[in-house]
Amino acid sequence: AQTVTQSQPEMSVQEAETVTLSCTYDTSESDYYLFWYKQPPSRQMILVIRQEAYKQQNATENRFSVNFQKAAKSFSLKISDSQLGDAAMYFCAYRSSPRGNTGKLIFGQGTTLQVKP
Amino acid sequence: KAGVTQTPRYLIKTRGQQVTLSCSPISGHRSVSWYQQTPGQGLQFLFEYFSETQRNKGNFPGRFSGRQFSNSRSEMNVSTLELGDSALYLCASSPGTGGWEPQHFGDGTRLSIL
Repeated sequence: AQTVTQSQPEMSVQEAETVTLSCTYDTSESDYYLFWYKQPPSRQMILVIRQEAYKQQNATENRFSVNFQKAAKSFSLKISDSQLGDAAMYFCAYRSSPRGNTGKLIFGQGTTLQVKP
Repeated sequence: KAGVTQTPRYLIKTRGQQVTLSCSPISGHRSVSWYQQTPGQGLQFLFEYFSETQRNKGNFPGRFSGRQFSNSRSEMNVSTLELGDSALYLCASSPGTGGWEPQHFGDGTRLSIL
């Protein structure tokens, strides 16, 4: 069974600085998808960024980028130029490939990010 | 386009009762998944429905059940409520199952068991 681990329960960053959130996963599959979701106190989960395992190029979405290391099974999220609105809980999630025929997401335990003004 | 709508937002029940939660997916989305979120266990997958069929089920007791209607709206039911069922229940929808398309989440239903 696949597992996702986020080893940092809490992180803090100064506004305008850069922070990296860690995520590791365990799987025997070669084709899969990885996601980072953000959950603000308002509680709606919002997609931040996604990565396909067969793509070596790291995904980037504006100030958000990932460092995907497939061999190491690592998927970290880098937030550049942190803003107060980035304060939230961040979840790393894994999904099997389409051949697995499921939309099921497996989540890590989450990292609470505090942004200091 | 309206997002995923979950009703009610808050619910208070007592042990032994049953509860039904509702989820209306984004228009055009045919897949609906349910997750339970608690401080201790984090986010855990409950089940997934696509075109009125349950495609996948998480490791929860039979007291947890769900269904999906022809308009893709979904309900989940929990019978014989226990204190440990207190949680935020999240519904997520996507156009199909699996793959690149991300799941879009609702605001959740906060269930408290007294």
